[in-house]
Amino acid sequence: EIVMTQSPATLSVSPGERATLSCRASQSVSSNLAWYQQKPGQAPRLLIYGASTRATGIPARFSGSGSGTEFTLTISSLQSEDFAVYYCQQYDNWPPYTFGQGTKLEIK
Amino acid sequence: EVQLVESGGGLVKPGGSLRLSCAASGFTFSSYSMNWVRQAPGKGLEWVSSISSGSSYIYYADSVKGRFTISRDNAKNSLYLQMNSLRADDTAVYYCARGGYCSSTSCSPYYYFDYWGQGTLVTVSS
Repeated sequence: EIVMTQSPATLSVSPGERATLSCRASQSVSSNLAWYQQKPGQAPRLLIYGASTRATGIPARFSGSGSGTEFTLTISSLQSEDFAVYYCQQYDNWPPYTFGQGTKLEIK
Repeated sequence: EVQLVESGGGLVKPGGSLRLSCAASGFTFSSYSMNWVRQAPGKGLEWVSSISSGSSYIYYADSVKGRFTISRDNAKNSLYLQMNSLRADDTAVYYCARGGYCSSTSCSPYYYFDYWGQGTLVTVSS
């Protein structure tokens, strides 16, 4: 089973600033990595797939990078609606599909 | 517009059973793999089960294998999860999520979950 590890667990950033979230896989997942955003009481929403491709309707301030075992989600200029929990997920070697434990992005 | 609507959650005693449903609309249901993902209160996301478009391929997480059964009815655009021998650690919000496209001969081997339902809460407690 591939273990996904996200860091940091909590990230405090001011609105308008840049946020950088990390995700590491225990073995290579190529570019088969997705990022999801989840707000309280809501379902997860797909942000990024293929490590760097934005899903339909996702603003350009969200960008993903990386391949192999190291991945990054960057939000270039944080808006109030971006404060949420973010999960990475590998879909390269399954079952099982595995998620990271999440990074909570909070307002500084 | 793609919509996934779960139902069937509720309070059940340990050892009991429950059947979840997910009604799909806005896309050709029979052409996509489907999945169940759960989230325990205050915790992260855990994949539970997947089923291919024609039900030929079915997979389970080790934590539910032998207790849960995934199925689908393409004529009714519906996905199901039969949950038996429920335990306290099965308490979670259960989401259905769309997976990859399947042609007449094969499914995409690498797919993410692009649409999710709003979830249904299952509570296992005496």
